[in-house]
Amino acid sequence: DSGVTQTPKHLITATGQRVTLRCSPRSGDLSVYWYQQSLDQGLQFLIQYYNGEERAKGNILERFSAQQFPDLHSELNLSSLELGDSALYFCASSPRRGEGAGPQYFGPGTRLLVL
Amino acid sequence: AQKITQTQPGMFVQEKEAVTLDCTYDTSDPSYGLFWYKQPSSGEMIFLIYQGSYDQQNATEGRYSLNFQKARKSANLVISASQLGDSAMYFCAMREEAGANSKLTFGKGITLSVRP
Repeated sequence: DSGVTQTPKHLITATGQRVTLRCSPRSGDLSVYWYQQSLDQGLQFLIQYYNGEERAKGNILERFSAQQFPDLHSELNLSSLELGDSALYFCASSPRRGEGAGPQYFGPGTRLLVL
Repeated sequence: AQKITQTQPGMFVQEKEAVTLDCTYDTSDPSYGLFWYKQPSSGEMIFLIYQGSYDQQNATEGRYSLNFQKARKSANLVISASQLGDSAMYFCAMREEAGANSKLTFGKGITLSVRP
């Protein structure tokens, strides 16, 4: 158990819908990262938050957005869903930078299926 | 731009034998970290081992060791005494450690099957 929690584990929805994925980082970790894993694109970085502020953006679509709340949990919002958005979405967390080059610990993922 | 290359096709190893999974990388950043993650069929991503670019010694974690050859830009994972539970997908990843952006860039992964 990495200490990172994600809900829900599975999500089935229809095209055009909107969903919210939730992540709670490990206790004390300030950075939260979102990744998407699909068969054709592999594992891709979407976005990073650090202590409530957006720190970096990767290949995140404009239909997707995220935020990190004061209690450090994060949500990834996916809207106007398309079939191609079906993927495994991971959240990861890591300690504050400067406290050692620690790894990112991944949650169990949310498996999204868009029908 | 950072790049991770994992080109081996599916790998097979006999139980209790050692296996090496290859990873090469490309970066212009002098400070970086290399990681290996394991993804079993259940889907979770499990951190295995980390190597910093300035580390003098190769990293080891139990049965896992990282064969780091900086000049060749390779960071191969060695699993000793393979177990059936080692059957999984293995990903090599890199993080450039200068600057605030600390995202991981992943390779495409290698499938390892351990035969009894």
